[in-house]
Amino acid sequence: ELKVEQNPLFLSMQEEKNYTIYCNYSTTSDRLYWYRQDPGKSLESLFVLLSNGAVKQEGRLMASLDTKARLSTLHITAAVHDLSATYFCAVGDGAGGTSYGKLTFGQGTILTVHP
Amino acid sequence: EAGVAQSPRYKIIEKRQSVAFWCNPISGHATLYWYQQILGQGPKLLIQFQNNGVVDDSQLPKDRFSAERLKGVDSTLKIQPAKLEDSAVYLCASSLLEGVYTEAFFGQGTRLTVV
Repeated sequence: ELKVEQNPLFLSMQEEKNYTIYCNYSTTSDRLYWYRQDPGKSLESLFVLLSNGAVKQEGRLMASLDTKARLSTLHITAAVHDLSATYFCAVGDGAGGTSYGKLTFGQGTILTVHP
Repeated sequence: EAGVAQSPRYKIIEKRQSVAFWCNPISGHATLYWYQQILGQGPKLLIQFQNNGVVDDSQLPKDRFSAERLKGVDSTLKIQPAKLEDSAVYLCASSLLEGVYTEAFFGQGTRLTVV
């Protein structure tokens, strides 16, 4: 059974500081996703990582994937208040074909950015 | 492009009552998912459809939950009878079935409170 663990679960940051959220998963997968969720809202897709060594950046967020270590990171650079949200990593489950879209989510990291 | 539509947005029922949720996926998306997100946790897959067939319902509590996707488009998820622990946000997602890369797009969810 695929297990996905994120840490930390709670992250309180000051503006302009840098930090990293880690996502470990238990079984082989070649698909990893990062989502953002604002309170009371649905999940917004941030990044899709499909291969070992993949790195993607959007604004102050950068995500990477190491499939050999079964580890993905979401790095936040010079945090701003607008980044306050819950961040989930999700790992693609299923061997392919019709099960390809099935996701197993981590617990989520609640990020709060303070002035 | 219209996103995944869900209704109702909120529902409060008493335990042992029944409830139904509706989902309209993005046009052309063959695969539809229902996820349950309990407060403070990541979403958990309940059931996955491809067109009108069930691909995976291994985590659906079949004694009380049922889902259907008639004609391969809209879907309904029903709970009968509801328990207190069913209080959660029910998220519908859809995706294309296209080669290796399949990204799921989520609706805004239905927040169920069982009292």
